[in-house]
Amino acid sequence: DAKTTQPPSMDCAEGRAANLPCNHSTISGNEYVYWYRQIHSQGPQYIIHGLKNNETNEMASLIITEDRKSSTLILPHATLRDTAVYYCIVRATGNQFYFGTGTSLTVIP
Amino acid sequence: DTGVSQNPRHKITKRGQNVTFRCDPISEHNRLYWYRQTLGQGPEFLTYFQNEAQLEKSRLLSDRFSAERPKGSFSTLEIQRTEQGDSAMYLCASSLEAGGYTFGSGTRLTVV
Repeated sequence: DAKTTQPPSMDCAEGRAANLPCNHSTISGNEYVYWYRQIHSQGPQYIIHGLKNNETNEMASLIITEDRKSSTLILPHATLRDTAVYYCIVRATGNQFYFGTGTSLTVIP
Repeated sequence: DTGVSQNPRHKITKRGQNVTFRCDPISEHNRLYWYRQTLGQGPEFLTYFQNEAQLEKSRLLSDRFSAERPKGSFSTLEIQRTEQGDSAMYLCASSLEAGGYTFGSGTRLTVV
């Protein structure tokens, strides 16, 4: 699976949008972009995934560039409970998830 | 169904002892995965099952580690002759064949 590059840490003010970037310049045509997050001492939690089109669900929005070499996870109104490590993973259907070290997001009151 | 359940949540053991962890996946999920996570790192893939068949094992899974999934339901992960380097969070996840994973809360192992 392709590797991803994420900033190690970010801060965001409570109530503002959190925009978490991810580079995946070697992504293949059949690989999806997945985002998971992990709150301290819990297992990773699925957030959203997409292939080419932008996606939105009740938790977040995923914006994938036209060349698919990068993406951005958007939490529209960050709360203190969104403080977590966010993992961007590219994965072909049926393959394993390979996690990097992710981005540690801190939401500041 | 309450999701993926892992037991125990915490385990402290002396070096050299054997330990066994259990994972109960979401009932309709035919795939089950084990991951290990050390401090400051993302989860690392160990092995996975499709039904009762163990289909892939990572090179991280040394011969002291064994995993089983009898009858394709719950799974156990056993570590024999534990070492301090085995201290980590052991995570279990399950999925349908082509789906995303649902993770459990993990078992935190401390080897003293």
